[in-house]
Amino acid sequence: AQSVTQLDSHVSVSEGTPVLLRCNYSSSYSPSLFWYVQHPNKGLQLLLKYTSAATLVKGINGFEAEFKKSETSFHLTKPSAHMSDAAEYFCVVSGRDGATNKLIFGTGTLLAVQP
Amino acid sequence: DGGITQSPKYLFRKEGQNVTLSCEQNLNHDAMYWYRQDPGQGLRLIYYSQIVNDFQKGDIAEGYSVSREKKESFPLTVTSAQKNPTAFYLCASSVGTGQTYEQYFGPGTRLTVT
Repeated sequence: AQSVTQLDSHVSVSEGTPVLLRCNYSSSYSPSLFWYVQHPNKGLQLLLKYTSAATLVKGINGFEAEFKKSETSFHLTKPSAHMSDAAEYFCVVSGRDGATNKLIFGTGTLLAVQP
Repeated sequence: DGGITQSPKYLFRKEGQNVTLSCEQNLNHDAMYWYRQDPGQGLRLIYYSQIVNDFQKGDIAEGYSVSREKKESFPLTVTSAQKNPTAFYLCASSVGTGQTYEQYFGPGTRLTVT
C-alpha cells in the first residue's frame, strides 16, 4: 500500500530565507509524487510532479523537489521565501486502488512567512 | 479559458436536508473526483468517475451520491444520512487515471449544515 507522511504540520520562515518542507513516502512500486499548494479557501494548485524521469524536479514559483529513493523522501525546497508563499502545502503519492490509480494526500504543512 | 468551476462558493443548509454541489469542467478530461477536506486531515476521496455513466466509491462514500451523465459535469449530493456534512468540498479532474496524471482542482464549496 502507498502512504505519505509530512513531517511538519507547521513551518515558519522569514522572508528571503530558504524553505524546506519535508515529505516521506511509502510505496510498493516506483511511485509518482506531487506537491500541491493551497491558499486559504481556495482549490489546490500543482507545484510540481515526479514521474520517474529526472530526480530533481523544478516547479512553478521557484520551488523544486528531489526524489531520493534510498531515503524514501521527496522534500520541497525554495531558496528564498516570499510573502506570497504563505499557504498550505500537500505532498501526494499516486497509489493503486484495484485497477485505478488514485492520489493519496499527506495531512499538509502550513507555511508561514514572517516579514 | 479552461478550468473547473464549482458553485456555489458557500452553501448553508439545515440538518436533514439534501444538498447538491455543482462541478463543471471544460478541460475535456475523462476522470473526475470529489474530495472532502477537514482541518488537519488532508483530502479524503468521496467518489470518482473514470468515464461517463460510471463512478466508484472512494474512501468515505457513505451519505453521499453522485451522477455522471455528461463528461463535463459531476454533481455531488450530500444526503441527510451524512452524519457530519460540514466541510470544504473539492472537485478535481484528470486526463485519465494513470499513475502519472495530475489532478486539476476547482476552487471548492464550503458547506455549513446547522
